[in-house]
Amino acid sequence: SAVISQKPSRDICQRGTSLTIQCQVDSQVTMMFWYRQQPGQSLTLIATANQGSEATYESGFVIDKFPISRPNLTFSTLTVSNLSPEDSSIYLCSVERTLQDPSTDTQYFGPGTRLTVL
Amino acid sequence: TQLLEQSPQFLSIQEGENLTVYCNSSSVFSSLQWYRQEPGEGPVLLVTVVTGGEVKKLKRLTFQFGDARKDSSLHITAAQPGDTGLYLCAGVRNQGGKLIFGQGTELSVKP
Repeated sequence: SAVISQKPSRDICQRGTSLTIQCQVDSQVTMMFWYRQQPGQSLTLIATANQGSEATYESGFVIDKFPISRPNLTFSTLTVSNLSPEDSSIYLCSVERTLQDPSTDTQYFGPGTRLTVL
Repeated sequence: TQLLEQSPQFLSIQEGENLTVYCNSSSVFSSLQWYRQEPGEGPVLLVTVVTGGEVKKLKRLTFQFGDARKDSSLHITAAQPGDTGLYLCAGVRNQGGKLIFGQGTELSVKP
């Protein structure tokens, strides 16, 4: 498995501002993902963070709104831009395929970032 | 259309009761994972099942993968208040593919 940390754990932001969330893994991983989870709901995949290239976004999510960086195999950031109250949600990063176990499809999740937009 | 149908979505039971959560699909999955999530935390992996008909036990939790790898169940025996949380099933259709989540089951176990 992998130990994943996220910063910040929670934040309250004003409409129109941006928030950048950091995800740090304690070991090198092949795949990193960003999810959104609205209150009481299941998880929705935002994008796959690709190391050294542009992220792959799911339908309904665009780079201008959710820019993602992944400079190496242990770190990624997600920015939620031009915030509106509808962006209030929990944002989670997850990882898959540690170098110790590269064949598994099992994903491990960070603790999440709870964002409230006023 | 939800690819993975999870039921029930809400379950409130008394301590000591048994319960089963179901995860069904018309599609075949190469693997399926069960997670438990507590408020303010990320989902924590409970188990991964990969073989049709596979049964895995984790203390009072029993996980089963259907023979055709289209469905799975989670059975909890003698539920305790500490079992309270959101249970999520999630599957991968092809190795290397995206993880597809069910809607989740919000379980509340009352003392």
